[in-house]
This record gives sequence, C-alpha cells and structure tokens, in this order.
Amino acid sequence: QKEVEQDPGPLSVPEGAIVSLNCTYSNSAFQYFMWYRQYSRKGPELLMYTYSSGNKEDGRFTAQVDKSSKYISLFIRDSQPSDSATYLCAMTRYSGAGSYQLTFGKGTKLSVIP
Amino acid sequence: DTAVSQTPKYLVTQMGNDKSIKCEQNLGHDTMYWYKQDSKKFLKIMFSYNNKELIINETVPNRFSPKSPDKAHLNLHINSLELGDSAVYFCASSQGTSGLNEQFFGPGTRLTVL
Repeated sequence: QKEVEQDPGPLSVPEGAIVSLNCTYSNSAFQYFMWYRQYSRKGPELLMYTYSSGNKEDGRFTAQVDKSSKYISLFIRDSQPSDSATYLCAMTRYSGAGSYQLTFGKGTKLSVIP
Repeated sequence: DTAVSQTPKYLVTQMGNDKSIKCEQNLGHDTMYWYKQDSKKFLKIMFSYNNKELIINETVPNRFSPKSPDKAHLNLHINSLELGDSAVYFCASSQGTSGLNEQFFGPGTRLTVL
C-alpha cells in the first residue's frame, strides 16, 4: 500500500461546478498537508497548506483535513477553465537530521469545460 | 526573473551515455531538492541538500550523483543511462527544511533515453 493514495482521474466537469479532490494516507507521522497545482509541462506550485484537522478557505478553494480518518480533500467552488490542471496532494513528515520529507500523491487531472 | 531554473529543458540521449542536469535558484534559499516524475505523473523525492550538505538520499541507484557547488546550485549527474531513467526531473528549493516551508519548483527537464 502506498503511503499516499490519490485517485488519478481524469476528472472532467462543466464550468461553474464544485470539484472535490481527495487523498488518503496511511502514515500517522504525516504532520503538514498541502495541495499543489501543476499545469501541463510546468513545475508544481503550492496552492494551499494546513497542519490541523478542519477546514481552511482561500477564495474559491477549501482544504479539509481529517486526521482521525487519514483523509484530506480540496474543494473548488465555481470552477473555471483556468483551473484545468493536475492537482497533487502532498504531506510532510519528519525524516531525521532536522529535515522534513515531502511525499506526493499521484495527482488528479482536472479539466473544466467552458 | 525566473526563481528556479533548470538546463536543459529537454534531453534526448542513448542508453549507456552519461548526462548532467543543472539547477539554479535565485531565491536565496538554503535547501534544494531533486524529484523524479515518471510517465504516470508520480512525483518522488530523490535527494535534498541543505547548505550544500546532503540530508535526504532516497533509494536511488548509485548511477545518480547530485552535487551542490554552492547554496544556489544543485546539479544531477547520471551515469550509464537506462531506458527506465526516462522521466521529467524537477529541481526545487525552499527556505529551510521545516515541514511548512513552501517548495518552489523549476520547469523540469524532460529526459528521454533511447
């Protein structure tokens, strides 16, 4: 079983739809949770991060973490064609020598159709 | 002004050759990383350097050797290239090694081994 599981999709939605992206993880050592967005042929860029159970909102984006269920989600409201990208969940755990290691999910490819 | 840059963007080479990929960041960060993204878009950490010292060295063949001449540069040399090395290699940097430090990714180097 991989440490971080993410449904790779692809996911196709009409413009204006609410999108729900999810990841599960198996390692309780993960402490910080992030969502990265990767446009085609580009490097990933950080979208949101959180470190506690609950919701965090930033504009049309809401990140949700449930540590008891080892489950994280990203919700996108009023989705736009410009949201079309691959969304990668990521989480960090302490890996020793004062450093943290980032582990990514496989990414979900999202297409928002005008 | 590009924050994290990589050269070359594309690299096509024959099996058995030796090649290098260069990475430079102008963000003043202390920590740099190399990631490999395979054909299924799975992004995995390979190495991490903090202040020119190796701090993360995942299970990577010895044919891969990172080198950090200074804090702003992290190069990746690959000996005896194999077909399975074909992937996109991303360099990233962050200010420190804390779990909450955002990692900034370069545009990637697409390596194709024939």
